[in-house]
Amino acid sequence: ETGVTQSPTHLIKTRGQQVTLRCSSQSGHNTVSWYQQALGQGPQFIFQYYREEENGRGNFPPRFSGLQFPNYSSELNVNALELDDSALYLCASSSNRDYLGNEQFFGPGTRLTVL
Amino acid sequence: KQEVTQIPAALSVPEGENLVLNCSFTDSAIYNLQWFRQDPGKGLTSLLLIQSSQREQTSGRLNASLDKSSGRSTLYIAASQPGDSATYLCAVNSNYQLIWGAGTKLIIKP
Repeated sequence: ETGVTQSPTHLIKTRGQQVTLRCSSQSGHNTVSWYQQALGQGPQFIFQYYREEENGRGNFPPRFSGLQFPNYSSELNVNALELDDSALYLCASSSNRDYLGNEQFFGPGTRLTVL
Repeated sequence: KQEVTQIPAALSVPEGENLVLNCSFTDSAIYNLQWFRQDPGKGLTSLLLIQSSQREQTSGRLNASLDKSSGRSTLYIAASQPGDSATYLCAVNSNYQLIWGAGTKLIIKP
């Protein structure tokens, strides 16, 4: 069974640029959630995708957008990067059979630095 | 609005001690609660998951309890080791998302 994978591991961008982060969910999982973790803080929920549709969203502006593909992998896109977007971006997958209460399994994260 | 608080923010103890980390949440309507470990600059390692209908879960030297009515969970670590040094995060599953505490940074001194 393959776990959750994320790419790239590290990324450096400059203000105003756009970035795409990728996540492959664990085998058998159809739900992907994205979280942002700033240094020294707990993760913050960005959004969740279930069967290729956005299923919920946290308090993030529209320049944070996502996609989920038929194989349940996912992308997180951030436009017009700001310095405060520097963080560890975590992807989690779950099977969602019971919809809301399933355990989420996390990938290793992508470290984004915005200069 | 669900809020999660972890106390203490940091803890330093000698090797071999038993210790307790605390997590509190404001809304008892949760589906489950997870405890995670995070090493510096790394991702998250899931330690224990407690469903809302359960009172506790155990894995090796770790024991997590959940009192949903009072909005509290504790993570008990027995016979601490230097390798247990990390940041410990709790997260409550509220609707479709996890709501996180800021973590407790644990240092175990040899």
